[in-house]
Amino acid sequence: AQSVTQPDIHITVSEGASLELRCNYSYGATPYLFWYVQSPGQGLQLLLKYFSGDTLVQGIKGFEAEFKRSQSSFNLRKPSVHWSDAAEYFCAVGAGTSGTYKYIFGTGTRLKVLA
Amino acid sequence: GAGVSQSPSNKVTEKGKDVELRCDPISGHTALYWYRQSLGQGLEFLIYFQGNSAPDKSGLPSDRFSAERTGGSVSTLTIQRTQQEDSAVYLCASQWDNTEAFFGQGTRLTVV
Repeated sequence: AQSVTQPDIHITVSEGASLELRCNYSYGATPYLFWYVQSPGQGLQLLLKYFSGDTLVQGIKGFEAEFKRSQSSFNLRKPSVHWSDAAEYFCAVGAGTSGTYKYIFGTGTRLKVLA
Repeated sequence: GAGVSQSPSNKVTEKGKDVELRCDPISGHTALYWYRQSLGQGLEFLIYFQGNSAPDKSGLPSDRFSAERTGGSVSTLTIQRTQQEDSAVYLCASQWDNTEAFFGQGTRLTVV
């Protein structure tokens, strides 16, 4: 069965610094991959997704993620973090066959941004 | 509607009472998920409905929890004999085929 691991529970970075949030998945084939963000008191918002094609995907708010098949990873990056990026970030994997996809979420990484 | 709708947005209940949480998914979405998010915690998978298939109940924490989905649309999550540890935000998401999952705003359940 597919699974998702986000090894970092908490990350703290200074405003303006670069950011990388790790995500590793387990699945026998190429899954669909997603990153969601949850700001305090808000619902989950999709940042970006990977289905196929270019392994570097661009998302909203200046985020990008790179799918690396050899490492079973889909790490989220941002070159310069803003204070408003403080939130919880969830990686998700979708796998299955047409019409029967099931999505599994990681446990999340909470990002703190220092002024 | 335009998005996933959950009701109520907040629910305070006394320990031992039963509660029902409702989710209206996006029209046409065949898959529906329930997750639980306890304070400061990540997303805990509870149950997954996909079309007419038997639901995946592997995440339900105890037999006090149950869920149904009527007519392939609206879903109700029922918690019987609520306990204080059931206090959390309950999130519903829906999805169609290989699109991303869309989340509702959640129901904040407080058991006093």
